[in-house]
Amino acid sequence: QITLKESGPTLLKPTQTLTLTCTFSGFSLSTSGVGVGWIRQPPGKTLECLALIYWDDDKRYSPSLKNRLTITKDTSKKQVVLTMTNMDPLDTATYYCVHRLTYGPFDSWGQGTLVTVSS
Amino acid sequence: DIVMTQSPDSLAVSLGERATINCKSNQSVLYSSTNKNYLAWYQQKPGQPPKLLIYWASTRESGVPDRFSGSGSGTDFTLAISSLQAEDVAVYYCQQYRSSPHTFGQGTKLEIK
Repeated sequence: QITLKESGPTLLKPTQTLTLTCTFSGFSLSTSGVGVGWIRQPPGKTLECLALIYWDDDKRYSPSLKNRLTITKDTSKKQVVLTMTNMDPLDTATYYCVHRLTYGPFDSWGQGTLVTVSS
Repeated sequence: DIVMTQSPDSLAVSLGERATINCKSNQSVLYSSTNKNYLAWYQQKPGQPPKLLIYWASTRESGVPDRFSGSGSGTDFTLAISSLQAEDVAVYYCQQYRSSPHTFGQGTKLEIK
């Protein structure tokens, strides 16, 4: 059974850096074809794919946010970390960690963590 | 980016009746070398993460009731619920995973009439 859990700050001030950790179980990020990503959803709005990292360390970023995002993995700890710099109130959203297998859809999701950016 | 557009934005259907949600992409999500449509449907209930219902446009995820079905190819897709149940009230999203960034539709809110 695949599980993913997001952790990180719930409240940030504008210009601060967000660091989120996804801790997962039930799969290995060293297995060929496996990927872990971050999706966000502002309140009442649709979903936006931020970043993905794959078993071979290939990384994909949202073009509109590429300059602010960094995704890394620690295979032994079973963790994926997302950092987003220069946070703005418009970045207020629920951030989800997701699992992806061999070019497929996002088949497992964490419960999500709400991050609020406010002065 | 591939733009995904769903219709309608909201839908009210009577219990036991059929519900249909459409999704259109501005570029084909059919990959010729695999002959697969890289299109998924998700269901999101309030306070919960999205749940994968359908992938490859028409393959039901394990455990998803067979009243849910997906169809379409290329740029036009449909999610159908054959006989609406109370527990199907949710927001439904389509998503393309053909090319990065993987993009979602704006969502369709399904309610009981």
